[in-house]
Amino acid sequence: GQQLNQSPQSMFIQEGEDVSMNCTSSSIFNTWLWYKQDPGEGPVLLIALYKAGELTSNGRLTAQFGITRKDSFLNISASIPSDVGIYFCAGHHSGAGSYQLTFGKGTKLSVIP
Amino acid sequence: DGGITQSPKYLFRKEGQNVTLSCEQNLNHDAMYWYRQDPGQGLRLIYYSQIVNDFQKGDIAEGYSVSREKKESFPLTVTSAQKNPTAFYLCASSTGDSLGTQYFGPGTRLLVL
Repeated sequence: GQQLNQSPQSMFIQEGEDVSMNCTSSSIFNTWLWYKQDPGEGPVLLIALYKAGELTSNGRLTAQFGITRKDSFLNISASIPSDVGIYFCAGHHSGAGSYQLTFGKGTKLSVIP
Repeated sequence: DGGITQSPKYLFRKEGQNVTLSCEQNLNHDAMYWYRQDPGQGLRLIYYSQIVNDFQKGDIAEGYSVSREKKESFPLTVTSAQKNPTAFYLCASSTGDSLGTQYFGPGTRLLVL
């Protein structure tokens, strides 16, 4: 199946720094989702975006649905040690009978105290 | 407390053995999904079900089987035909509407003895 291009693959940052990661696609999506996965656990939904240009925040997290509908970014401000984990983007195209998500391969975030 | 449960957390399979992974949801969601996660490969769709008594193959269905006899349950059987079953298995569910947002369970790690 199709994959989203998610970057960077990994990042090491100092506690307190801001983080930015993004996903791009050759296809248009109607929904962009951002998940966080801790080791040995299932992904947890962080932010869901349903409208092109939409900018949504969840605490220190902010995500935007690109105006072209082919990209999205996630920012984390003032990172803390518990932000460590793998962040996944996912896109959904609401075509007839379409139930599937297309996933990025993830950005592994490490925070240095 | 609504959510998705998967059991067991860890499962060991012997050569030639079929094993079944359980997934239950009390979110009243119509659609349910099974994914396989391998290091560095992201999430790959095994099977999905849009409604009770109906299911479709995903990208990597060979060696797996499912059933959907009840709305809240979507068990996955890893058969002996699956030659490389060691992976982290994730179950997800969604309302089945056009927005496509999926919610994940905590996962089951399958190991081959």
